[in-house]
Amino acid sequence: KNEVEQSPQNLTAQEGEFITINCSYSVGISALHWLQQHPGGGIVSLFMLSSGKKKHGRLIATINIQEKHSSLHITASHPRDSAVYICAVPMDSNYQLIWGAGTKLIIKP
Amino acid sequence: SQTIHQWPATLVQPVGSPLSLECTVEGTSNPNLYWYRQAAGRGLQLLFYSVGIGQISSEVPQNLSASRPQDRQFILSSKKLLLSDSGFYLCAWSGDRDQPQHFGDGTRLSIL
Repeated sequence: KNEVEQSPQNLTAQEGEFITINCSYSVGISALHWLQQHPGGGIVSLFMLSSGKKKHGRLIATINIQEKHSSLHITASHPRDSAVYICAVPMDSNYQLIWGAGTKLIIKP
Repeated sequence: SQTIHQWPATLVQPVGSPLSLECTVEGTSNPNLYWYRQAAGRGLQLLFYSVGIGQISSEVPQNLSASRPQDRQFILSSKKLLLSDSGFYLCAWSGDRDQPQHFGDGTRLSIL
């Protein structure tokens, strides 16, 4: 069983829709990362959070430590939001991040 | 502000040739540095990380090596490339283990 699971694997939506991407993990963590990988391959760190909620523009990330679950929301989605969204959690023992498989999001105009 | 530079963006190399990919970070000191590889359609795999000059930890056995000759320079090398070394290589830095990692633009390596 993967230690970090994301859902859905693929998501296609119309412009303007509210988007939710989920991440569940089975390890104890100090923080969870959300990252965005553009079609060209570049990766951008979106959030790192250890509790509660963080908001940046139209992006909102929430985490429930007790339930070991995090969600990434996109409000008023736009075609430029099309990308792969990845969650990752740090391993306790070293510097390695355990990566989710990613959610490929396509927003159609 | 901090920036990370990685080059080249694209590289095509024959099997058996050597490799050197360079990554440099500006605007911070003593960063943690990482090399990742992403095979086509797959997730990121950590290859090496470094917490200081000359300190390299390898996560997976492989045909590659890494070096950190200066505080903000991280080099990924191979003496003889294999077909299986093809992929998208990303360098990243962080201020600490529990801080966000910031990625370079990546190098797309094709082995022929």
